[in-house]
Formats: sequence, structure tokens, C-alpha cells
Amino acid sequence: RKEVEQDPGPFNVPEGATVAFNCTYSNSASQSFFWYRQDCRKEPKLLMSVYSSGNEDGRFTAQLNRASQYISLLIRDSKLSDSATYLCVVGQRTNAGKSTFGDGTTLTVKP
Amino acid sequence: DAGVTQSPTHLIKTRGQHVTLRCSPISGHKSVSWYQQVLGQGPQFIFQYYEKEERGRGNFPDRFSARQFPNYSSELNVNALLLGDSALYLCASSAAGGPTYEQYFGPGTRLTVT
Repeated sequence: RKEVEQDPGPFNVPEGATVAFNCTYSNSASQSFFWYRQDCRKEPKLLMSVYSSGNEDGRFTAQLNRASQYISLLIRDSKLSDSATYLCVVGQRTNAGKSTFGDGTTLTVKP
Repeated sequence: DAGVTQSPTHLIKTRGQHVTLRCSPISGHKSVSWYQQVLGQGPQFIFQYYEKEERGRGNFPDRFSARQFPNYSSELNVNALLLGDSALYLCASSAAGGPTYEQYFGPGTRLTVT
């Protein structure tokens, strides 16, 4: 089993749709959580950190559920420019420097 | 402000050769992490360095090594290249060590081993 698992893609949605991605992690010692987006053949770019209380940034909302060991990302009013691969990242308390990425979920927003 | 820079952008090497990849972090950032990304997968953690010391290591063979210099730039070295080492190598910069800090990635070095 992978340490960080994401919804299998791809997600194909029309413009204006709401879409949600989930990510589960296996290590209960995990202490930091992030979402990144990666465009084709480009580097990952930080989308948002995920806090225990949940957080929102415009059309994007991230939630953390420590008891069930998953994080989620909700995108409202999808834009064509949201088309990308979304990567879930989990940082562990042990092995201090290690961050573990999921394999990503691909989103395509269509007109 | 300059972001994370990496060199070279592309590289073609032959099996058995050695390669050195370079990274300069964002000004003021003291930590550099290295990742390997193969097509269809997320980046895999190789190393993190903070204040010139190794802070974390992923599950990579000893053929992979790295170091950080006093100016916080870093090198990733790979010896005895295998075909399976072909990948995008990403460098990420963060303000400090540990997994809680946000990481900012460079454009990567695309390594092809033939």
C-alpha cells in the first residue's frame, strides 16, 4: 500500500462545475499537508497548505480529517485554467525532512 | 525576486556514467530538497538538506548523493547511471528544514539515460 493515495483520475468536468479530490495517508505521525498543482511537463506549484481547521482560498477549499487520515480539495466554479494534475503532499514527523507526494489526480475542465 | 534555479535543463547520459545536477534556492531559503519524478507518478523524495546537513533521506540507493554549500546551493550526484534513472529531477527550496515548511520547486532537470 502506498503511503499517500489519491483518487484515480482523470476527472473530466464542464466549466462551472464543482469537483472534489480526496487523498488518504497511512502514517499517523504525519504532521503537515499540502496541495500542489502540476501542469504538463512543468514543476509542481504550491496551491495551498491544509490546516486542521480547514482553509479556503477563493474557489478552493481544503479540509483535513486526522481521525480518518484523509485530506480533501474542493474546487468550485471550475475554470478552463484549472485543468492540471493535483498532487497531495504529506510531511512526516519522523525522518524530519521527508515529504511524500501522491501520484496525482488529473483534472480536465471542458468548455 | 528570482525563484529556484536548476541546471542543466536537459541532459543525456549513457549507462554507467556519472551526473551532477545543480540547484540554487530562493534567496533567504536555507533548505533544499531533491525529488525524482517519472512519468505518471508523483515526485519521490531523495534528500533534504538544511544548513549544509542532511535532514532526510528517501529510499534511493547509495549511487545517489548530495551536498549543500555555504551559500545554500546544492548538488545532486548520481553514479553508475541506469536506464531507470531517466526522470525529471526536481529541486525544492524552503525557508527551513523539516516537512512543515512550504516548498517551492525549480523547473527541473530532465535526465535521459541511454
